[in-house]
Amino acid sequence: QLQLQESGPGLVKPSETLSLTCTVSGGSVRSDSYYWGWVRQPPGKGLEWIGSIYYSGSTYYNPFLKSRVTTSVDTSKNQFSLKLSSVTAADTAVYHCARVNGYASGWFDSWGQGTLVTVSS
Amino acid sequence: EIVLTQSPGTLSVSPGERATLSCRASQSVTSRYLAWYQQKPGQAPRLLIYGASSRATGIPDRFSGSGSGTDFTLTISRLEPEDFAVYYCQQYGSSWGTFGPGTRVDIK
Repeated sequence: QLQLQESGPGLVKPSETLSLTCTVSGGSVRSDSYYWGWVRQPPGKGLEWIGSIYYSGSTYYNPFLKSRVTTSVDTSKNQFSLKLSSVTAADTAVYHCARVNGYASGWFDSWGQGTLVTVSS
Repeated sequence: EIVLTQSPGTLSVSPGERATLSCRASQSVTSRYLAWYQQKPGQAPRLLIYGASSRATGIPDRFSGSGSGTDFTLTISRLEPEDFAVYYCQQYGSSWGTFGPGTRVDIK
């Protein structure tokens, strides 16, 4: 059974870079069939699509975040990662990694539990 | 950007009753590329429906999706206690996905 687990610092200072990793088990990031994505949810609010990445490195990003987002894949570790630069309090959210079905901006059919990242000095 | 609007914001329903949730897009959604998710407090969202009407693996048949173009509906035929949650729609017909703001289904 596919499992995804986010990891990374729970507290990031304003203007710094948020870095998260998603470890995949029970499946391979080096799959021809899926992209791998990130979604965030500010406390008490709705879901926001951040971006997705294919194992080859092809990426798709939310245009409102694109200038600050970088994603990568490490097939040797079966992981993919998210970096969000120049963070502010507005970036405080639970960050979920997920498997993307149906091409780059498809539906999310398996999710990590999520990790809360707080931006504060 | 395709903006999704969900209505109502909150729906109060008694167990055993039918719930109808609406998702409207600001422009036509390509090829019915619309999904529905259920989220309970402290949990990750769970995929219910993709392709506007295809149930995800393991989803009970009391959940059904319909619609096309700009208007989509999620119907829960007979609400079970575990169905009280927040429901989100997501379109994936453009180069990046967008979510609706959610509908909360409360116990009446």
